[in-house]
Amino acid sequence: NAGVMQNPRHLVRRRGQEARLRCSPMKGHSHVYWYRQLPEEGLKFMVYLQKENIIDESGMPKERFSAEFPKEGPSILRIQQVVRGDSAAYFCASSPVEGQGDEQYFGPGTRLTVT
Amino acid sequence: GQSLEQPSEVTAVEGAIVQINCTYQTSGFYGLSWYQQHDGGAPTFLSYNALDGLEETGRFSSFLSRSDSYGYLLLQELQMKDSASYFCAVEDSGAGSYQLTFGKGTKLSVIP
Repeated sequence: NAGVMQNPRHLVRRRGQEARLRCSPMKGHSHVYWYRQLPEEGLKFMVYLQKENIIDESGMPKERFSAEFPKEGPSILRIQQVVRGDSAAYFCASSPVEGQGDEQYFGPGTRLTVT
Repeated sequence: GQSLEQPSEVTAVEGAIVQINCTYQTSGFYGLSWYQQHDGGAPTFLSYNALDGLEETGRFSSFLSRSDSYGYLLLQELQMKDSASYFCAVEDSGAGSYQLTFGKGTKLSVIP
Protein backbone atom coordinates (compact mmCIF):
# COMPACT_ATOMS: atom_id res chain seq x y z
CA ASN A 1 0.00 0.00 0.00
CA ALA A 2 1.78 3.10 -1.22
CA GLY A 3 1.96 6.02 1.13
CA VAL A 4 1.29 9.65 0.33
CA MET A 5 3.16 10.60 -2.81
CA GLN A 6 4.38 14.03 -3.72
CA ASN A 7 6.17 15.24 -6.79
CA PRO A 8 8.43 16.72 -7.65
CA ARG A 9 10.65 16.21 -4.61
CA HIS A 10 12.71 19.23 -5.52
CA LEU A 11 11.63 22.18 -7.63
CA VAL A 12 13.64 25.21 -8.65
CA ARG A 13 11.87 28.23 -10.08
CA ARG A 14 12.96 31.75 -10.98
CA ARG A 15 11.11 34.68 -9.53
CA GLY A 16 7.89 35.29 -11.43
CA GLN A 17 7.45 31.74 -12.63
CA GLU A 18 4.71 29.35 -11.58
CA ALA A 19 5.19 26.36 -9.30
CA ARG A 20 2.89 23.32 -9.35
CA LEU A 21 3.13 20.81 -6.55
CA ARG A 22 1.30 17.49 -6.73
CA CYS A 23 0.04 15.21 -4.02
CA SER A 24 -1.54 11.79 -4.32
CA PRO A 25 -3.12 10.73 -1.01
CA MET A 26 -2.98 7.23 0.38
CA LYS A 27 -5.41 4.80 -1.17
CA GLY A 28 -8.80 5.17 0.45
CA HIS A 29 -8.07 8.62 1.85
CA SER A 30 -10.34 11.42 0.77
CA HIS A 31 -8.99 14.26 2.93
CA VAL A 32 -5.91 16.20 1.92
CA TYR A 33 -4.02 18.87 3.87
CA TRP A 34 -1.20 21.12 2.67
CA TYR A 35 1.44 22.53 5.02
CA ARG A 36 4.44 24.79 4.53
CA GLN A 37 7.64 24.43 6.54
CA LEU A 38 10.43 26.97 6.69
CA PRO A 39 13.90 25.85 7.89
CA GLU A 40 14.02 25.25 11.65
CA GLU A 41 10.28 25.94 11.90
CA GLY A 42 7.16 23.91 12.47
CA LEU A 43 4.61 23.15 9.82
CA LYS A 44 2.07 25.84 9.02
CA PHE A 45 -1.38 24.76 7.90
CA MET A 46 -2.36 26.13 4.52
CA VAL A 47 -5.45 24.40 3.17
CA TYR A 48 -7.72 21.40 3.69
CA LEU A 49 -9.51 19.78 0.78
CA GLN A 50 -11.83 16.93 0.02
CA LYS A 51 -12.59 15.71 -3.48
CA GLU A 52 -13.73 18.71 -5.54
CA ASN A 53 -14.14 20.86 -2.44
CA ILE A 54 -12.00 23.32 -0.52
CA ILE A 55 -13.06 22.90 3.10
CA ASP A 56 -10.71 25.31 4.84
CA GLU A 57 -8.20 27.65 3.20
CA SER A 58 -7.70 29.92 6.19
CA GLY A 59 -3.94 29.33 6.21
CA MET A 60 -3.32 30.06 2.56
CA PRO A 61 -2.22 33.50 1.31
CA LYS A 62 -5.05 35.22 -0.52
CA GLU A 63 -2.96 36.08 -3.54
CA ARG A 64 -0.90 33.88 -5.87
CA PHE A 65 -1.74 30.62 -4.05
CA SER A 66 -4.48 28.20 -5.03
CA ALA A 67 -5.26 24.55 -4.41
CA GLU A 68 -7.52 21.95 -5.90
CA PHE A 69 -8.37 18.29 -5.45
CA PRO A 70 -10.22 17.16 -8.56
CA LYS A 71 -12.47 14.15 -8.83
CA GLU A 72 -9.73 12.34 -10.71
CA GLY A 73 -6.04 12.82 -10.19
CA PRO A 74 -3.82 14.31 -7.55
CA SER A 75 -4.29 17.39 -5.42
CA ILE A 76 -2.44 20.39 -6.82
CA LEU A 77 -0.99 23.35 -4.95
CA ARG A 78 -0.23 26.16 -7.37
CA ILE A 79 1.90 29.18 -6.63
CA GLN A 80 1.86 31.87 -9.28
CA GLN A 81 4.56 34.51 -9.75
CA VAL A 82 6.80 32.95 -7.13
CA VAL A 83 8.98 35.15 -4.92
CA ARG A 84 12.04 34.25 -2.86
CA GLY A 85 9.92 34.11 0.30
CA ASP A 86 8.02 31.16 -1.16
CA SER A 87 11.14 28.99 -0.82
CA ALA A 88 10.18 26.29 1.68
CA ALA A 89 9.27 22.65 2.03
CA TYR A 90 5.64 21.96 1.18
CA PHE A 91 4.14 18.86 2.74
CA CYS A 92 0.91 17.19 1.88
CA ALA A 93 -0.91 14.93 4.34
CA SER A 94 -3.96 12.73 3.99
CA SER A 95 -6.42 11.08 6.32
CA PRO A 96 -9.24 8.62 5.72
CA VAL A 97 -11.94 10.62 7.44
CA GLU A 98 -12.29 13.94 9.13
CA GLY A 99 -12.57 13.69 12.81
CA GLN A 100 -11.02 14.22 16.15
CA GLY A 101 -7.69 12.55 16.59
CA ASP A 102 -7.33 11.26 13.08
CA GLU A 103 -3.73 10.57 12.26
CA GLN A 104 -2.48 12.48 9.27
CA TYR A 105 -0.08 10.65 7.00
CA PHE A 106 2.52 12.91 5.46
CA GLY A 107 4.20 12.72 2.10
CA PRO A 108 7.95 13.25 1.62
CA GLY A 109 7.46 16.90 0.72
CA THR A 110 8.42 19.14 -2.18
CA ARG A 111 11.34 21.44 -1.55
CA LEU A 112 10.80 24.62 -3.54
CA THR A 113 13.71 26.92 -4.19
CA VAL A 114 13.09 30.28 -5.81
CA THR A 115 16.16 31.88 -7.35
CA GLY B 1 -5.13 32.44 17.78
CA GLN B 2 -3.12 29.42 18.76
CA SER B 3 0.42 29.20 20.09
CA LEU B 4 2.59 26.35 21.30
CA GLU B 5 5.84 26.44 23.23
CA GLN B 6 8.40 23.66 23.31
CA PRO B 7 12.16 23.68 23.90
CA SER B 8 14.19 24.21 20.77
CA GLU B 9 16.89 21.64 21.54
CA VAL B 10 17.48 18.73 23.90
CA THR B 11 20.50 16.45 24.19
CA ALA B 12 20.39 13.07 25.92
CA VAL B 13 22.54 9.98 26.25
CA GLU B 14 21.80 6.71 24.53
CA GLY B 15 19.78 4.44 26.83
CA ALA B 16 18.50 7.33 28.94
CA ILE B 17 15.02 8.82 29.29
CA VAL B 18 14.09 12.23 27.94
CA GLN B 19 10.95 14.34 28.36
CA ILE B 20 9.92 17.00 25.84
CA ASN B 21 7.40 19.49 27.20
CA CYS B 22 4.76 21.42 25.30
CA THR B 23 2.50 24.19 26.54
CA TYR B 24 -0.24 25.60 24.39
CA GLN B 25 -2.78 28.36 24.11
CA THR B 26 -5.74 27.74 21.90
CA SER B 27 -9.48 28.01 21.65
CA GLY B 28 -11.62 25.05 20.77
CA PHE B 29 -9.03 22.51 21.90
CA TYR B 30 -9.69 18.91 20.93
CA GLY B 31 -6.40 17.13 21.43
CA LEU B 32 -2.61 17.14 21.38
CA SER B 33 -0.58 15.14 18.89
CA TRP B 34 3.13 14.42 18.62
CA TYR B 35 5.04 13.95 15.38
CA GLN B 36 8.62 12.93 14.68
CA GLN B 37 10.60 14.30 11.76
CA HIS B 38 14.10 13.23 10.75
CA ASP B 39 16.23 15.71 8.82
CA GLY B 40 14.93 15.99 5.28
CA GLY B 41 12.11 13.56 5.99
CA ALA B 42 8.36 13.61 6.39
CA PRO B 43 6.66 14.04 9.76
CA THR B 44 5.38 10.76 11.16
CA PHE B 45 2.64 10.40 13.74
CA LEU B 46 3.64 9.23 17.22
CA SER B 47 0.69 9.76 19.55
CA TYR B 48 -2.52 11.61 20.30
CA ASN B 49 -4.09 12.64 23.62
CA ALA B 50 -7.61 13.96 23.91
CA LEU B 51 -8.11 13.22 27.59
CA ASP B 52 -5.96 13.85 30.64
CA GLY B 53 -3.46 11.18 31.42
CA LEU B 54 -0.71 9.07 29.99
CA GLU B 55 -0.79 7.15 26.71
CA GLU B 56 1.92 4.55 26.20
CA THR B 57 3.11 3.13 22.91
CA GLY B 58 6.23 1.05 23.25
CA ARG B 59 9.20 3.21 24.23
CA PHE B 60 7.19 6.39 23.73
CA SER B 61 4.58 7.82 26.09
CA SER B 62 2.59 11.04 25.89
CA PHE B 63 0.86 12.92 28.66
CA LEU B 64 -1.80 15.60 28.68
CA SER B 65 -3.20 17.93 31.32
CA ARG B 66 -6.02 19.96 29.83
CA SER B 67 -6.43 22.12 32.92
CA ASP B 68 -2.76 23.15 32.68
CA SER B 69 -2.72 23.37 28.85
CA TYR B 70 0.36 21.19 29.03
CA GLY B 71 1.61 17.96 27.63
CA TYR B 72 4.83 16.05 27.23
CA LEU B 73 6.41 13.31 25.19
CA LEU B 74 8.51 10.79 27.07
CA LEU B 75 11.08 8.72 25.23
CA GLN B 76 12.63 5.80 27.08
CA GLU B 77 15.66 3.62 26.32
CA LEU B 78 16.89 6.20 23.87
CA GLN B 79 18.48 4.95 20.68
CA MET B 80 20.67 6.83 18.22
CA LYS B 81 17.90 6.61 15.64
CA ASP B 82 15.68 8.70 17.91
CA SER B 83 17.76 11.76 16.98
CA ALA B 84 15.17 13.86 15.17
CA SER B 85 12.87 16.83 15.62
CA TYR B 86 9.70 16.32 17.65
CA PHE B 87 6.67 18.51 17.15
CA CYS B 88 3.65 18.90 19.35
CA ALA B 89 0.49 19.85 17.48
CA VAL B 90 -2.81 21.08 18.78
CA GLU B 91 -5.98 19.93 17.13
CA ASP B 92 -8.72 22.50 17.15
CA SER B 93 -11.73 23.30 15.09
CA GLY B 94 -11.00 26.17 12.79
CA ALA B 95 -13.39 27.16 10.06
CA GLY B 96 -15.27 23.92 10.63
CA SER B 97 -12.39 21.54 10.10
CA TYR B 98 -9.98 19.79 12.40
CA GLN B 99 -6.78 21.75 11.87
CA LEU B 100 -3.40 20.90 13.28
CA THR B 101 -1.34 23.80 14.60
CA PHE B 102 2.28 22.78 15.09
CA GLY B 103 4.89 24.00 17.51
CA LYS B 104 8.33 24.96 16.21
CA GLY B 105 9.76 21.61 17.18
CA THR B 106 12.36 20.25 19.57
CA LYS B 107 15.57 18.95 18.06
CA LEU B 108 16.66 15.89 20.02
CA SER B 109 20.27 14.81 19.77
CA VAL B 110 21.09 11.38 21.21
CA ILE B 111 24.77 10.96 22.02
CA PRO B 112 26.67 7.75 22.77
